[in-house]
Amino acid sequence: EDKVVQSPLSLVVHEGDTVTLNCSYEVTNFRSLLWYKQEKKTPTFLFMLTSSGIEKKSGRLSSILDKKELFSILNITATQTGDSAVYLCAVEASGNQFYFGTGTSLTVIP
Amino acid sequence: KAGVTQTPRYLIKTRGQQVTLSCSPISGHRSVSWYQQTPGQGLQFLFEYFSETQRNKGNFPGRFSGRQFSNSRSEMNVSTLELGDSALYLCASSFWGFGGGLNEQFFGPGTRLTVL
Repeated sequence: EDKVVQSPLSLVVHEGDTVTLNCSYEVTNFRSLLWYKQEKKTPTFLFMLTSSGIEKKSGRLSSILDKKELFSILNITATQTGDSAVYLCAVEASGNQFYFGTGTSLTVIP
Repeated sequence: KAGVTQTPRYLIKTRGQQVTLSCSPISGHRSVSWYQQTPGQGLQFLFEYFSETQRNKGNFPGRFSGRQFSNSRSEMNVSTLELGDSALYLCASSFWGFGGGLNEQFFGPGTRLTVL
């Protein structure tokens, strides 16, 4: 059964800390892995990863994919309270199949 | 340009009723996908429409159906509502379909459905 598992389920850190969110997957016919940030209700796109070992970076956020070990990590450095959100990992498989993890809830306290 | 809009934003129904949710994609986007989000199951894919055709479907019962109009607006219908259908229903639009970059999906604000 195809699945995407995220860990931890929730995380509470202080401003300035660095966090690493994990996403592992077992999906046949993998095409891409995507990270979203969900604040309130609406997920917003962060990264799309298709190749192993190539880090994608946007400001304090970065992500990398390991297609051999079937996982991805999302790093956030120097966290701010505005980073508090649910971070969703999704895997796209061929045939337009999409699988989401249940998300990691991140709370950044001042 | 305007984002994805969903109506209504909140809905309360009773068991056995049926409901229709609406999603208007970003102008020019041809793909609309629907998702159900619940605390226990996370975000689950319902179906995707592209140019008025259902291109793919997730593992949901036949009570869940949808359609897309020529202007790319999409509706989702749930018949014979059950308590477990209470969830946030999100739609997302993109030019070609799921994926990031040029094919980035843009999500709407969601419709919160409560079934009593």
